[in-house]
Amino acid sequence: EIVLTQSPGTLSLSPGERATLSCRASQSVSSSYLAWYQQKPGQAPRLLIYGASSRATGIPDRFSGSGSGTDFALTISRLEPEDFAVYYCQQFGNSPYTFGQGTKLEIK
Amino acid sequence: QVQLVESGGGVVQPGRSLRLSCAASGFTFSSYGMHWVRQAPGKGLEWVAVIWYDGSNKFYADSVKARFTISRDNSKNTLYLQMNSLRAEDTSVYYCARIRVPWGSFDAFDIWGQGTMVTVSS
Repeated sequence: EIVLTQSPGTLSLSPGERATLSCRASQSVSSSYLAWYQQKPGQAPRLLIYGASSRATGIPDRFSGSGSGTDFALTISRLEPEDFAVYYCQQFGNSPYTFGQGTKLEIK
Repeated sequence: QVQLVESGGGVVQPGRSLRLSCAASGFTFSSYGMHWVRQAPGKGLEWVAVIWYDGSNKFYADSVKARFTISRDNSKNTLYLQMNSLRAEDTSVYYCARIRVPWGSFDAFDIWGQGTMVTVSS
């Protein structure tokens, strides 16, 4: 099983700042099979990034993904108030299609 | 519009069974692989099971293997999760989710249902 470890667990920033969230895999994952999701309280997750760096339909360009092998990152260039949420990475390289434990992005 | 709607959740005693349904609309259901994902209260997301678009392959998380069964009825545009021998640790919101690309390899879930709560308690 591929274990995804996200860091930090909680990130406290202010609107307008830049956020960088990390996702590290216990073994190499093809970039084609790494996705990022955003989840707000009481809502289902929303797809942000697939294939490590491709934005999903309707996702603002302030969201970007990068990385390869075992190290991936989600960057939000300028935080908007609606971006404060929990973010998860997920791998589809091998079943089980595991998620990271999440990073909570909170307002400072 | 493209939509997934789960149903069938509720409160059930340990050891009992429950069947969840996920009704799909707005897209060609029979062309997409489908998954179940769950989330325990206050916890992260856990992948549960997958079924290929034609039902030919199914895979499960170790935590539910031999207890849960994923299935689909493409004539009814519906996905199912039969949950047997339920345990307290199965208490979660259960989401169904669609794979982004029809027939293709799995790379992301682009459509999610709103979730249905399952509580296992005596």
